[in-house]
Amino acid sequence: GDSVTQMEGPVTLSEEAFLTINCTYTATGYPSLFWYVQYPGEGLQLLLKATKADDKGSNKGFEATYRKETTSFHLEKGSVQVSDSAVYFCALEPPGGYQKVTFGIGTKLQVIP
Amino acid sequence: DTGVSQDPRHKITKRGQNVTFRCDPISEHNRLYWYRQTLGQGPEFLTYFQNEAQLEKSRLLSDRFSAERPKGSFSTLEIQRTEQGDSAMYLCASSVGTAGNTIYFGEGSWLTVV
Repeated sequence: GDSVTQMEGPVTLSEEAFLTINCTYTATGYPSLFWYVQYPGEGLQLLLKATKADDKGSNKGFEATYRKETTSFHLEKGSVQVSDSAVYFCALEPPGGYQKVTFGIGTKLQVIP
Repeated sequence: DTGVSQDPRHKITKRGQNVTFRCDPISEHNRLYWYRQTLGQGPEFLTYFQNEAQLEKSRLLSDRFSAERPKGSFSTLEIQRTEQGDSAMYLCASSVGTAGNTIYFGEGSWLTVV
């Protein structure tokens, strides 16, 4: 079945550091890929998405590129802020419009001043 | 849009009691999903509705769990004879239902079974 593997946290960075959170997936065909973010005490919010190979999703300074050859969708940000502290979930939706989304276990990011 | 709303946000119940959670999706979203999230884990799919029809249930959804979406609007998730292992956050989400479209999540309902 479909699965998502992401690096375990917590990840602790200083403000303005570079961020990478690795995510790889296993799925049949060409799924859509997502990064969701969960701030403390809040629900999941879509951060960015990519629906086909080589697409780059971006939002709020975060980027991720859909790499079919390596089945990866790594999240990056050039300069993190304290306000980026949250849990980040990589997720996939199988092709065909079914929309049963499979999530990774989440990576907690803590940014210190 | 007012977003997906869930009620109650927190529920503490004794083992063996029944609990019911309600979800109000974004208006005109025809798909509604229930997920469960335990500490340190990502959300796990439980079930989803297309309008009022329940189209799939995960094997995680035992016979003690039942979900409904009468009239294709709000949905309820009932857990009967709760067990301590049911303690989790229950997330509701909704979407327009087209591939790659954004799924909007509510803030979740925390259940603690004591």
